[in-house]
This record gives sequence, structure tokens and C-alpha cells, in this order.
Amino acid sequence: DSGVTQTPKHLITATGQRVTLRCSPRSGDLSVYWYQQSLDQGLQFLIQYYNGEERAKGNILERFSAQQFPDLHSELNLSSLELGDSALYFCASSVGGGRQGFSGNTIYFGEGSWLTVV
Amino acid sequence: QKEVEQDPGPLSVPEGAIVSLNCTYSNSAFQYFMWYRQYSRKGPELLMYTYSSGNKEDGRFTAQVDKSSKYISLFIRDSQPSDSATYLCAMSPPSGGSYIPTFGRGTSLIVHP
Repeated sequence: DSGVTQTPKHLITATGQRVTLRCSPRSGDLSVYWYQQSLDQGLQFLIQYYNGEERAKGNILERFSAQQFPDLHSELNLSSLELGDSALYFCASSVGGGRQGFSGNTIYFGEGSWLTVV
Repeated sequence: QKEVEQDPGPLSVPEGAIVSLNCTYSNSAFQYFMWYRQYSRKGPELLMYTYSSGNKEDGRFTAQVDKSSKYISLFIRDSQPSDSATYLCAMSPPSGGSYIPTFGRGTSLIVHP
């Protein structure tokens, strides 16, 4: 158990709908990362937040958005869902936000949220 | 061309075999090299990481980095059925504000008794 908690574990929804995925980082971690894993694209970085502020952005679609709250939990919002958005979405966390040396930025993954769009 | 290339396998070996998993990369800025293990329907977990070139050993696992060839390897000695998983290589540049790793697609390893 990495200490990163994600909900829900599984989600089935229809095209055009909107869903919210939730993540609680490990105790003491200030950074949260969101990744998407699909068979054809592998593990793709979407976005990072550090202590409530966006720190880095990856291949995140405009239909997707995220935020990190004062209690450090994070939510990933996926809207206007398409069939191709079906994937495993991972949250990960680390102590640092990029300036504390590599060891302080080692990331730990949750168990993921399986999203199926039908 | 993807920044990090990794053969998806599957790689099937008998118990006790030495396993070699490999990745190539194109970004010469990468300095940190990581190996993650992912069991089915679970999140990736960090196995080990190395900085720059060289070898690092941790129990039955040895990581090698050859920056001149842009090639990294993970060796597993005396492989066990419990090693059956997907192994993802990952790499990141030095600081500059982010150590966010770029992942390979993962190699599926099956160790059969």
C-alpha cells in the first residue's frame, strides 16, 4: 500500500458525460500528479500540483481539468467524455515539488481509477 | 519517435532464469533512470533508480545505465513467479524545477514455475 488513495476504483459512464476522480496523497506529501494509462499510449503525465498550485502540465486535454485543495487532496475532472478517454487514471504524490532533490521528488502511485466510457 | 522506447513483450521465462529488460531513449538531458514494477490492476511501484551512468544493485535486481548508447537495463537474477508483472522504465532530467518522469510503455514479464 503506497498510501495514495484514489476513488472511485471503477467508473462506467456514457459519452458526453462528466466525471470527477478524487485523490488523497500520502501523509506529508505536497505534490500530486495525475497520469493516464492506456494500452496504446502507455503511462502519460497529465498535470502536477504542488501545495495547491499548478506546477507542471503535460498532455492534458482542454476537456480535462484538475485542482488541489487546501487539505492537499486533488480532483481530476473529465468532461465531454469520448470513447477514447477510457483508461486507467493514476494519481501519484511526492514530498517535494521539484526543488528538493531527486529523493524528495520520488513519486508514489495510487491503485488507479478505471474509467470506461460507453 | 517516442522519447522512451520499451518492448512490450510479453517475455516468458522459466523460474530461476536471469531476466534482462531494456529501454532506449532519445533525450540526452535525462539523468535519473528508474524502474517501476506494476502488478495487474495495481499502481506502479518504484523498484530502484540510478543517477547518470553506471550500475546499481539491490538484492536480485541490478540496474545499468549506458548514457553513451542511451540504453538502460534491468537484470533480475533467480527470477520467481512472484516477479511476474509489467516493468516500466522511467527517466527524468535533473532539477530545473521538475523530476517528472517520462515512462516507457512497459514490458510484461511472465515467470513460469
